[in-house]
Amino acid sequence: SQTIHQWPATLVQPVGSPLSLECTVEGTSNPNLYWYRQAAGRGLQLLFYSVGIGQISSEVPQNLSASRPQDRQFILSSKKLLLSDSGFYLCALIGRTGQGEKLFFGSGTQLSVL
Amino acid sequence: KQEVTQIPAALSVPEGENLVLNCSFTDSAIYNLQWFRQDPGKGLTSLLLIQSSQREQTSGRLNASLDKSSGRSTLYIAASQPGDSATYLCAVRGLMEYGNKLVFGAGTILRVKS
Repeated sequence: SQTIHQWPATLVQPVGSPLSLECTVEGTSNPNLYWYRQAAGRGLQLLFYSVGIGQISSEVPQNLSASRPQDRQFILSSKKLLLSDSGFYLCALIGRTGQGEKLFFGSGTQLSVL
Repeated sequence: KQEVTQIPAALSVPEGENLVLNCSFTDSAIYNLQWFRQDPGKGLTSLLLIQSSQREQTSGRLNASLDKSSGRSTLYIAASQPGDSATYLCAVRGLMEYGNKLVFGAGTILRVKS
């Protein structure tokens, strides 16, 4: 079965600093990968998704970027963090199960920009 | 553009009650619908997946139904327990959606009092 690794679990960064969040997956090949953000008191927002190596689609124009250098690696980056980048960042993939194709989530990174 | 609405936004019930959470979507051309649970500060856990051709799915005390033509799904929780307290989200995947993206509702915050 597929596994999603996200780290760190918690991150505190000053405004203007760079960001790199890494997501790696196991137990699947060529998955569709997703970055979501959940701001405090708000719903789940899709930021980026990737259907293959080097293929990135952006849902919301903003201060962030994503890259997929390897099949099972998805990276979320920023050159200069803003206060509004604070939130809970979740990596996800579509995986095949006996019941059908499901969306699975990693454990998330809580980012606080101060 | 698909929109997903969940009612109620919050629900507080005494232990042992049966309860229903509602999810509605505007575009009936869906591939599947998924219900998730999220505990505070944690990632999302998939509860039930209903394919567009299915009417319902069951897992333990949980039963999810789907009425695609009316754009509705319900999650039924039998004999609620304090451990069921969490946020419940539904998400739909469009039929011909590039990237197989899911659209999420804002969630229902459930509190089960002992």
